[in-house]
Amino acid sequence: DGGITQSPKYLFRKEGQNVTLSCEQNLNHDAMYWYRQDPGQGLRLIYYSQIVNDFQKGDIAEGYSVSREKKESFPLTVTSAQKNPTAFYLCASSIRPGVTSGNSYNEQFFGPGTRLTVL
Amino acid sequence: GIQVEQSPPDLILQEGANSTLRCNFSDSVNNLQWFHQNPWGQLINLFYIPSGTKQNGRLSATTVATERYSLLYISSSQTTDSGVYFCAPYSGGGADGLTFGKGTHLIIQP
Repeated sequence: DGGITQSPKYLFRKEGQNVTLSCEQNLNHDAMYWYRQDPGQGLRLIYYSQIVNDFQKGDIAEGYSVSREKKESFPLTVTSAQKNPTAFYLCASSIRPGVTSGNSYNEQFFGPGTRLTVL
Repeated sequence: GIQVEQSPPDLILQEGANSTLRCNFSDSVNNLQWFHQNPWGQLINLFYIPSGTKQNGRLSATTVATERYSLLYISSSQTTDSGVYFCAPYSGGGADGLTFGKGTHLIIQP
């Protein structure tokens, strides 16, 4: 089945530790995204990548890092510099922005998310 | 960036009722998506609708791009419709992700 997987589902971290969240997709999408969701809020963009070996900061990139070595994978590292990392993290993918497919322009599809708690 | 406002923030209805959720946005858009976030946090794609009207079963959506709003209609509500509904426009430029509103929290009571 085509889709987006994220692991782990739940993650606990001690203060001062870096942690890496996994996101994999088999939809053959060029673009991938990381969003953060806080309780009662909408999603906010952390980082995005349009193609392999390229990525750009979103609205709230401070304290996070990413890599894009393979088309299928876009891992997110939450570093100790992130002051308030407890949140729900969602990964998404789409065809490359600026490219249309049928009637869809950058329609994004989301993984199931990872809940990160800092102890 | 684009600003998104959703209303109402909370809505409690009885099973079988109809509802209309509204999304206002501050700029022209190339894409607008509606999502349903279920109690486990999964975002489910409902509609991709930068303009016009679409229907899918009991749900339909209309976007009037020139007036910068979109509406999501839910008819004959079921308890499984409960959750948070997000509107997320994309203003284009090929660079940024979607911009999300704060959502409408819908509770359908049996």
